[in-house]
Amino acid sequence: SQKIEQNSEALNIQEGKTATLTCNYTNYSPAYLQWYRQDPGRGPVFLLLIRENEKEKRKERLKVTFDTTLKQSLFHITASQPADSATYLCALERGTGRRALTFGSGTRLQVQP
Amino acid sequence: EAEVAQSPRYKITEKSQAVAFWCDPISGHATLYWYRQILGQGPELLVQFQDESVVDDSQLPKDRFSAERLKGVDSTLKIQPAELGDSAMYLCASSQPREPYEQYFGPGTRLTVT
Repeated sequence: SQKIEQNSEALNIQEGKTATLTCNYTNYSPAYLQWYRQDPGRGPVFLLLIRENEKEKRKERLKVTFDTTLKQSLFHITASQPADSATYLCALERGTGRRALTFGSGTRLQVQP
Repeated sequence: EAEVAQSPRYKITEKSQAVAFWCDPISGHATLYWYRQILGQGPELLVQFQDESVVDDSQLPKDRFSAERLKGVDSTLKIQPAELGDSAMYLCASSQPREPYEQYFGPGTRLTVT
């Protein structure tokens, strides 16, 4: 069955450092992959989308890579700030052609000042 | 900036009671999704609408859950009867019918079943 794995342990880093979060998947061939940010008690907020034929996508301090051979996506936040502290969710298109997503369980990032 | 609206924000109900959640998507978004999120997990799709039609309800527990989007705009998700295991955040999202396909989420309804 389809499975998405994100590191369930919280990631703690110092302000100014680069945070790297990992999303691994099995039994998928998604047309695209998305990353969302979720703050406690709130709905997820879309950050970036990367397609299967793209290796890398950037937006301001964010960078996402997509390796369809390794079945892995890496999400980087450079020059991290305490305001970046949140849970980050990886989501894959379900393969039904209907654009619905399957989400990973998320990784909580804590940026220490 | 347009947002997805949901109500109520919080709901406490006793088991075996009926409960309903409402969602108003962003104007012009033909696709609407209902997700359930248990604490510490990612959102899980319950049902997807394209306009007023259900296109995916494979993970909706149909013995107790129902969803409708009668005019292809706002939507209601109902649980009857509620069970203790239904305690979760219920999230509504909408997306445009064209690329990019990012989903816009509402603030969610936190349901507690006692």
